[in-house]
Amino acid sequence: NAGVTQTPKFRILKIGQSMTLQCTQDMNHNYMYWYRQDPGMGLKLIYYSVGAGITDKGEVPNGYNVSRSTTEDFPLRLELAAPSQTSVYFCASSYSGRGLAGANVLTFGAGSRLTVL
Amino acid sequence: QKEVEQNSGPLSVPEGAIASLNCTYSDRGSQSFFWYRQYSGKSPELIMFIYSNGDKEDGRFTAQLNKASQYVSLLIRDSQPSDSATYLCAHTGSGGGADGLTFGKGTHLIIQP
Repeated sequence: NAGVTQTPKFRILKIGQSMTLQCTQDMNHNYMYWYRQDPGMGLKLIYYSVGAGITDKGEVPNGYNVSRSTTEDFPLRLELAAPSQTSVYFCASSYSGRGLAGANVLTFGAGSRLTVL
Repeated sequence: QKEVEQNSGPLSVPEGAIASLNCTYSDRGSQSFFWYRQYSGKSPELIMFIYSNGDKEDGRFTAQLNKASQYVSLLIRDSQPSDSATYLCAHTGSGGGADGLTFGKGTHLIIQP
């Protein structure tokens, strides 16, 4: 099993450009998440999804959009990139978002490092 | 607003000693608590989780939870240089975790050979 796969690993964007960060999981997890991590900071939740066709905003959704057309894929779209979006982005998934702690364990992808100049 | 507080460190511990990492949280409805380890430039990886008051042991790691004091800790026994990393404390909210985990900023741990 590959787990959670993110592409690209690195990307440099110019201000105002748009791009999509791809995320795919092969664990048949229902719940998927996008976090961003700035230097010296914890992970901040951008968007999450509890299943195909269902998405919701996290703590820092401005400037981003998501879709969830299949269980496996959860792409993150950046529109009109700004320097404030320079960060490392992590996609994660879990078997369930409820119940005992084991079901909430997040499995992370390797991350996508984005720089906006 | 859910908050997780951790001392950012760095926390320096001699090899073979016990490393003690602490975390406090503000959401009294939090149900489950997690410790993740993150090496520089890598993604977080789960060390262990705990949801009942008391201690939970897994190898060299022990998690301790005190919900009344809103406090969770991680002890690492017989610390090794390979334990040098940033340790992230996280928890689910009162909703049970559907909206993901809330993370602290992490504690940078350095094990000195």
